[in-house]
Amino acid sequence: EAQVTQNPRYLITVTGKKLTVTCSQNMNHEYMSWYRQDPGLGLRQIYYSMNVEVTDKGDVPEGYKVSRKEKRNFPLILESPSPNQTSLYFCASSRVGQPQHFGDGTRLSIL
Amino acid sequence: KNQVEQSPQSLIILEGKNCTLQCNYTVSPFSNLRWYKQDTGRGPVSLTIMTFSENTKSNGRYTATLDADTKQSSLHITASQLSDSASYICVVSLREGTYKYIFGTGTRLKVLA
Repeated sequence: EAQVTQNPRYLITVTGKKLTVTCSQNMNHEYMSWYRQDPGLGLRQIYYSMNVEVTDKGDVPEGYKVSRKEKRNFPLILESPSPNQTSLYFCASSRVGQPQHFGDGTRLSIL
Repeated sequence: KNQVEQSPQSLIILEGKNCTLQCNYTVSPFSNLRWYKQDTGRGPVSLTIMTFSENTKSNGRYTATLDADTKQSSLHITASQLSDSASYICVVSLREGTYKYIFGTGTRLKVLA
């Protein structure tokens, strides 16, 4: 089954404790992207990647890092999480120019 | 500033009725516009995609229109069903090759029996 898998689905952690949210897709898509969704603001793009070793900033990259060492994986790293990064995060992938396939989201709470 | 605005914010209709959701955008340069459906607790799922040259596209009971001159799009849902209850998100992508997307805040639709 074609899917985008995010882990964990839920995480409560504390300020400053490094964390990684993993994202994996099994569709051999070139393009992958991370978004955060906050009430009243809609989805905002954090980082995206057009292929292995090619990443670029979206609209809200501050406080986040990504890497794309393999085509199927695109982890999101929060080196020193802060409470304003509490949000619902989505990973997505697609072929170039095609609709994105989204994961089911990761709800992060940073205390 | 690139923006996508949707209206109404929320809508309640009775099962079987039709409804129309609106999307206005000020995004340049424009590449294409997509509508997504997002069920509670799930990621968005694509409904339609429209390029600059298309003005209508259908997907079952969903019909999207695009007026590139006025920078407006609408999503019309015909004969609504309970399963249509969800948020509907309008997404505009900038010119091809940039892979940047501007999302609207969505319209939350509730269909009542």
